[in-house]
Amino acid sequence: EPEVTQTPSHQVTQMGQEVILRCVPISNHLYFYWYRQILGQKVEFLVSFYNNEISEKSEIFDDQFSVERPDGSNFTLKIRSTKLEDSAMYFCASKPLLAGVDTQYFGPGTRLTVL
Amino acid sequence: KQEVTQIPAALSVPEGENLVLNCSFTDSAIYNLQWFRQDPGKGLTSLLLIQSSQREQTSGRLNASLDKSSGRSTLYIAASQPGDSATYLCAVRATTSGTYKYIFGTGTRLKVLA
Repeated sequence: EPEVTQTPSHQVTQMGQEVILRCVPISNHLYFYWYRQILGQKVEFLVSFYNNEISEKSEIFDDQFSVERPDGSNFTLKIRSTKLEDSAMYFCASKPLLAGVDTQYFGPGTRLTVL
Repeated sequence: KQEVTQIPAALSVPEGENLVLNCSFTDSAIYNLQWFRQDPGKGLTSLLLIQSSQREQTSGRLNASLDKSSGRSTLYIAASQPGDSATYLCAVRATTSGTYKYIFGTGTRLKVLA
């Protein structure tokens, strides 16, 4: 069964460094999302992406964050200058463009640790 | 602003018990509600999705109900097994035009004892 994959599984970085988290959504899906989960807290929506542009973003998704679909398969989240509070699990999700199919399929996550 | 709450926060039951997990949301204008399972250090697995026009959905030993007017959903797990041990999350999708984002609850951490 097709699944969303994410790399790396764990990323450790120094505060102020740039990180890029990578996701490969399910191949025929057209909606893409990033969520994050700080340890012990709720899963929070960051951004949704459709038709090569951001369709919605939360207040968390400030100028330090950006998303890109550089080719036909990858979907990336970049954090330009990481802060300690960016330490979290980051989940990518995708959804097909099918009427009545609302299920979002989540990847296994990337654990980001900012030191 | 939509808020999603889940109780209890943690639950420990002996194997074989039937159990109910609760989810409540403050704004009844939802498009759908989804239940997920999260294993430690892993991603989210979708269990059941209920559209706003539906009252319940079933999959195997799982049954989810939705009462939009009271802002509640329950996940019923029949004949629980140790393999059901995980954190269960509910998430609602708002009806705001153009949004597909999910708003998640805090989760119920379930432990089924052998």
